[in-house]
Amino acid sequence: DAGVIQSPRHEVTEMGQEVTLRCKPISGHDYLFWYRQTMMRGLELLIYFNNNVPIDDSGMPEDRFSAKMPNASFSTLKIQPSEPRDSAVYFCASSFSVEPQHFGDGTRLSIL
Amino acid sequence: ELKVEQNPLFLSMQEGKNYTIYCNYSTTSDRLYWYRQDPGKSLESLFVLLSNGAVKQEGRLMASLDTKARLSTLHITAAVHDLSATYFCAVDGTGNQFYFGTGTSLTVIP
Repeated sequence: DAGVIQSPRHEVTEMGQEVTLRCKPISGHDYLFWYRQTMMRGLELLIYFNNNVPIDDSGMPEDRFSAKMPNASFSTLKIQPSEPRDSAVYFCASSFSVEPQHFGDGTRLSIL
Repeated sequence: ELKVEQNPLFLSMQEGKNYTIYCNYSTTSDRLYWYRQDPGKSLESLFVLLSNGAVKQEGRLMASLDTKARLSTLHITAAVHDLSATYFCAVDGTGNQFYFGTGTSLTVIP
């Protein structure tokens, strides 16, 4: 099993640019989660999907953030326009039912 | 919103010593998870506790759950350097939505 695959691993871009983070969950998992981790705020749940349908996006900071899951094997998290305060490590995780979530290696995002 | 508090936030302990990390949560939940995160790495699942009184052990780590007290503990026995990491508890709220604790950064000193 390849695990949860995230890309890119690192992203450095200038403020105002569009950023797209990608995630491939583990095959057969029906839940997908996007998290953001910073020193100041810890690990925050941004949004999660069940069977490709967004269930709770209350953690999305503002309208600049959007997430999609067009099919069971792919999800994106987009930030447009990006700001320096968006700099963080973004994790994607997937799970089957109530089993533990499996986390990807994360995308380290730096907005200059 | 369900709140999850861990203490201590930082823990420095000598090799060979025992210690306990505590995880308190604010509302009823039937499932509690413990994760480990090494610096610069992802989160790795350690334990799932599914019922009151559940106890799980793996090597030098033992986790327990008291749903009535809304408390889980992660006990470290005879710590070794390899256990240095940040440990998170997470509680399942509604619809498989996880609420993570603040994390406990553990440093084991030789």
